[in-house]
Amino acid sequence: NAGVTQTPKFQVLKTGQSMTLQCAQDMNHEYMSWYRQDPGMGLRLIHYSVGAGITDQGEVPNGYNVSRSTTEDFPLRLLSAAPSQTSVYFCASSYDGVSSDEQFFGPGTRLTVL
Amino acid sequence: GQSLEQPSEVTAVEGAIVQINCTYQTSGFYGLSWYQQHDGGAPTFLSYNALDGLEETGRFSSFLSRSDSYGYLLLQELQMKDSASYFCAVPNAGKSTFGDGTTLTVKP
Repeated sequence: NAGVTQTPKFQVLKTGQSMTLQCAQDMNHEYMSWYRQDPGMGLRLIHYSVGAGITDQGEVPNGYNVSRSTTEDFPLRLLSAAPSQTSVYFCASSYDGVSSDEQFFGPGTRLTVL
Repeated sequence: GQSLEQPSEVTAVEGAIVQINCTYQTSGFYGLSWYQQHDGGAPTFLSYNALDGLEETGRFSSFLSRSDSYGYLLLQELQMKDSASYFCAVPNAGKSTFGDGTTLTVKP
């Protein structure tokens, strides 16, 4: 199993550009989440999904969109990039969002917005 | 809302024991998780406590007291490779909330 994969690993954008961060998992997990991590800080939840076709907002959703058309894929779209969105983005999946919450994280995408 | 408090930094020597505390305030609580993150890497799951008491997994143990809204991660026989950031987290049906992390530095 590849686990959770993310592309790209690094990205530089100019202010106002849009892009999609890709995330895929091959563990048949129902729960998937997107987090951002700023230097010296914890992970903040952007959006999450409890199954195909179901998404909801997390703590910091503004400026981001998600969709979940399949169990495997959970892309994150930046609508109009801003320097405040410079961060490391992690995608995670879990089998059960409550009983153990063992989340499996992808390697991250390091995004810089100029 | 949810908030978790943990110390920002801890330093210890190789072979020692270190305890990383976490206090939480949540509107709904199912349990407390711990994750490890090495510099530049992805977080990896260490443990989960749903019930009060101590859970042991090798050199790492995790403790939870629901009545005190408190938990800790105990690392024994510290090794240099344990130098990393450690996060406590409260899971809630896909909406996990993480603390800001404790940076552990292990010195020779």
